[in-house]
Amino acid sequence: NAGVMQNPRHLVRRRGQEARLRCSPMKGHSHVYWYRQLPEEGLKFMVYLQKENIIDESGMPKERFSAEFPKEGPSILRIQQVVRGDSAAYFCASSPLPAGGTDTQYFGPGTRLTVL
Amino acid sequence: DAKTTQPNSMESNEEEPVHLPCNHSTISGTDYIHWYRQLPSQGPEYVIHGLTSNVNNRMASLAIAEDRKSSTLILHRATLRDAAVYYCILRYGSNFGNEKLTFGTGTRLTIIP
Repeated sequence: NAGVMQNPRHLVRRRGQEARLRCSPMKGHSHVYWYRQLPEEGLKFMVYLQKENIIDESGMPKERFSAEFPKEGPSILRIQQVVRGDSAAYFCASSPLPAGGTDTQYFGPGTRLTVL
Repeated sequence: DAKTTQPNSMESNEEEPVHLPCNHSTISGTDYIHWYRQLPSQGPEYVIHGLTSNVNNRMASLAIAEDRKSSTLILHRATLRDAAVYYCILRYGSNFGNEKLTFGTGTRLTIIP
């Protein structure tokens, strides 16, 4: 059973370009979460999605960032017009149905975004 | 959200037990205590969780104080592969509104060969 997959593992963009990060959840998981880890900092929640729905986007920057989890295919985190401050590791996690605080989130290996 | 406090770093010798403490004095009665760890250059991974009773699994043990204001993650025999940042996280016991994990700064565990 494959784990959470993220691609690309490393992504280099110049300022002003767009970055697209993909996440395929574990088989049978319909809940996806995105977290960001800035250099030398802890992980910060960005967004929580179910199939075709954004449930909680309280951690998403108000501009340039968007996320989707379509009925078919991976979840996508999209960053438009990237700036140097977007350089970070972006982790995706997935889980099965919520289980009253006891469910486990399974993390992917991350995408390391570098903005030149 | 209830907060957790952990030491920034700890060291332990290889093949010895490690006790990683976590304080959560404002924990509510329905908060679960979760532990995750992040190995270098990897995504976090689940370690263990509990509510009131001590818990054991193949990776570690979780000892929860009787008043639940603190807990301790126990690695019974540390190996070099246990070198990681360990995060203690509280999760409200509800199916709604508690989905995201709130990571603190964690404890960076160094294993000395």
